[in-house]
Amino acid sequence: AQKITQTQPGMFVQEKEAVTLDCTYDTSDPSYGLFWYKQPSSGEMIFLIYQGSYDQQNATEGRYSLNFQKARKSANLVISASQLGDSAMYFCAMRVRSNYQLIWGAGTKLIIKP
Amino acid sequence: NAGVTQTPKFRILKIGQSMTLQCTQDMNHNYMYWYRQDPGMGLKLIYYSVGAGITDKGEVPNGYNVSRSTTEDFPLRLELAAPSQTSVYFCASSPREKLFFGSGTQLSVL
Repeated sequence: AQKITQTQPGMFVQEKEAVTLDCTYDTSDPSYGLFWYKQPSSGEMIFLIYQGSYDQQNATEGRYSLNFQKARKSANLVISASQLGDSAMYFCAMRVRSNYQLIWGAGTKLIIKP
Repeated sequence: NAGVTQTPKFRILKIGQSMTLQCTQDMNHNYMYWYRQDPGMGLKLIYYSVGAGITDKGEVPNGYNVSRSTTEDFPLRLELAAPSQTSVYFCASSPREKLFFGSGTQLSVL
């Protein structure tokens, strides 16, 4: 069965500290993609980062990086030097080749403390 | 750049009423999706389309219908609104991998 698991329902982090948001996935398809989206309190879904299963290097986008450990089936999001504006819900999602759907995790609510 | 446009942004329906949520994209993406997001939850796929004239059910299709007559438009139809359909609805499109989302429709069925 294809599944995404985010085990941290909520996190509090001090401003300027690094943050790691956990995501584990399950699929038997060798070709898949992993996404992270941010949803601030305003409600829109903002794309952060993407990692393909065949990508050799971990994806990075500015302060965001994806710690992709294929053997462990994990795709953790790392935010460096957190800012107050990073407070939001963060969703991990997976897309497999055989299925056009994105499978979503339940999300992690991140709160950055000043 | 309009991207993905959803209308309306908010709507209150009475039980049994019908309505259509509109979604249009100007990026010439083949793939389009309708998701619902219940409070405190992740997204669940209602219907998706891989191109004009082709639609398929997602995880939670009951109570909804879609059509895709053009590449740009992907309306979602609620025929007999029920309180269980109270949710935030997101339309999205993608060229292949990355999804581009609309701003969402907050729907309440009372």
